Amino acid sequence: GAVVSQHPSRVICKSGTSVKIECRSLDFQATTMFWYRQFPKKSLMLMATSNEGSKATYEQGVEKDKFLINHASLTLSTLTVTSAHPEDSSFYICSARDQSQGHYGYTFGSGTRLTVV
Amino acid sequence: DAKTTQPPSMDCAEGRAANLPCNHSTISGNEYVYWYRQIHSQGPQYIIHGLKNNETNEMASLIITEDRKSSTLILPHATLRDTAVYYCIVRAHSGSNTGNQFYFGTGTSLTVIP
Repeated sequence: GAVVSQHPSRVICKSGTSVKIECRSLDFQATTMFWYRQFPKKSLMLMATSNEGSKATYEQGVEKDKFLINHASLTLSTLTVTSAHPEDSSFYICSARDQSQGHYGYTFGSGTRLTVV
Repeated sequence: DAKTTQPPSMDCAEGRAANLPCNHSTISGNEYVYWYRQIHSQGPQYIIHGLKNNETNEMASLIITEDRKSSTLILPHATLRDTAVYYCIVRAHSGSNTGNQFYFGTGTSLTVIP
């Protein structure tokens, strides 16, 4: 089945630095990927839609200059949290659509836990 | 925005059927009902989806009411590994990149008790 890999699974960074999270579709091509954020004991919140070869579409209230998304190839999307602060600490999850599986082909990565100290 | 309502938590005895309800009274005619689950600190896992007919796969059954305003996910023989948060999501299918997003509600935290 479709597999989405996220890296790193866990990262700790200092306040003010930037962190890059990778999302890869391992055995399929994904023209669209999605990035979510999840705070403890809360639901997943969609942050943005990552479109291969074009600009990402951000949800209302999500700062595009703070959460930079690059989808340079059909198998890789990256989320960079710039100038991270402790309030950015969260669980970040990506999702990709395997179009060969039809309309239910949404596979989620295993997530990246970011801690900003 | 999430268009579903689910109870925040449920318990189920191991080996018994777990019936998880979902209310989606404002569902549109072209919107499907999807179910995902999330085990602690992992990404969501697809379970099942349907439009108006009842569906069954190796994981679960999905019962959708005739008016499509609610549905029930059934795990026929719950195991301890089924302890997770279960999300019911309604979503239309779109051929474009927009409109394909999944918006998660608060879900139901299912605890399977030994």
